[in-house]
Amino acid sequence: NAGVTQTPKFQVLKTGQSMTLQCAQDMNHNSMYWYRQDPGMGLRLIYYSASEGTTDKGEVPNGYNVSRLNKREFSLRLESAAPSQTSVYFCASRAGDTEAFFGQGTRLTVV
Amino acid sequence: DAKTTQPNSMESNEEEPVHLPCNHSTISGTDYIHWYRQLPSQGPEYVIHGLTSNVNNRMASLAIAEDRKSSTLILHRATLRDAAVYYCILRPWWDGNKLVFGAGTILRVKS
Repeated sequence: NAGVTQTPKFQVLKTGQSMTLQCAQDMNHNSMYWYRQDPGMGLRLIYYSASEGTTDKGEVPNGYNVSRLNKREFSLRLESAAPSQTSVYFCASRAGDTEAFFGQGTRLTVV
Repeated sequence: DAKTTQPNSMESNEEEPVHLPCNHSTISGTDYIHWYRQLPSQGPEYVIHGLTSNVNNRMASLAIAEDRKSSTLILHRATLRDAAVYYCILRPWWDGNKLVFGAGTILRVKS
């Protein structure tokens, strides 16, 4: 019963490096989301995808790109990582108007 | 987008009821009210949602004011495991896929 799986769980990057955070869900959900959570703060929406082939900007999209590869997978890419992108990243998925399911998070540190 | 206002933190005694308030004075007529919670070091999890009528499920109850400008999440008997950050979210009717979190309320439960 995997639900939403994020990889990697931890990552340390140097400033300027690029990387892709992976997210996959096995619940056949249409909508998928990427959030970031800074220490002691709430979640902020980066990008979301209402269905395969569509993506929309959230509250804080600058510095990120996303790809909805297929219905299962939604990846988040940092082209040139900055220390301000140090955060915990959560992926979520949802079917229609139902509850959203979240992954366990990716803890990213940019030095 | 309509905004929500929640107290920064609340404290409760174990096995007593907890009432977590949320103000949303600019709510639109067809905005759904969602509640999620985030346990320490975990991704958020769905608690409950409603539109106009009060709602009950196995986790909690949601009481919605008649004018819909506020709502209250009720935990009937708080346990130590209920210590978490509780988020009140409005889901806009015009973009049902968008889920934007606020700062939430930190609930501390004392034994």
